[in-house]
Amino acid sequence: GAGVSQSPSNKVTEKGKDVELRCDPISGHTALYWYRQRLGQGLEFLIYFQGNSAPDKSGLPSDRFSAERTGESVSTLTIQRTQQEDSAVYLCASSLNRGSLNTGELFFGEGSRLTVL
Amino acid sequence: AQTVTQSQPEMSVQEAETVTLSCTYDTSESNYYLFWYKQPPSRQMILVIRQEAYKQQNATENRFSVNFQKAAKSFSLKISDSQLGDTAMYFCAFMTHVGGSARQLTFGSGTQLTVLP
Repeated sequence: GAGVSQSPSNKVTEKGKDVELRCDPISGHTALYWYRQRLGQGLEFLIYFQGNSAPDKSGLPSDRFSAERTGESVSTLTIQRTQQEDSAVYLCASSLNRGSLNTGELFFGEGSRLTVL
Repeated sequence: AQTVTQSQPEMSVQEAETVTLSCTYDTSESNYYLFWYKQPPSRQMILVIRQEAYKQQNATENRFSVNFQKAAKSFSLKISDSQLGDTAMYFCAFMTHVGGSARQLTFGSGTQLTVLP
């Protein structure tokens, strides 16, 4: 597609349930990032994919959080046994990250707003 | 670890006036990128301007320009002829660039800019 697409746009869930958030990056972008943004705050790095592998997953806050990417395309962020502190907007971004073509610029989706009751 | 500091949580400016948003960062890396991103109420992050650390010349994009002081690790954004559409949260961001591959983007906490009519 023309831009980074995320779904669902909004998700309300009950504490203890699992949720899956999906990101479709810009076609051809090899790098994909997940960030978390709590209300009124900055962006907190979660995980970075280069192709289908994740060289940097240092930002995942606990083992309840996991992510995968397939076909160097779609990525899914899964949060198991959700807690109220997981409520936030989860932003996905992609980047063309190949040597001289690498500008460092990230293209962001509009985010998935997660509310845990 | 890299840190990015934005010391102005909120700022306001009259339409058509000029405003400067400040940003400082801390890193031991020598090769990196700096960015200013804008996040309007729609939530989607949009790149405003970028600067490569090896370039001494300050980047300019239409009404937006930066004052990059590498020794002082300072990267301020100047918005000239402010417009109502410039109202948004502005994030300063830092990305290392190692071996031809970009790494994660580290964001500051943001500055909420309001342009007053």
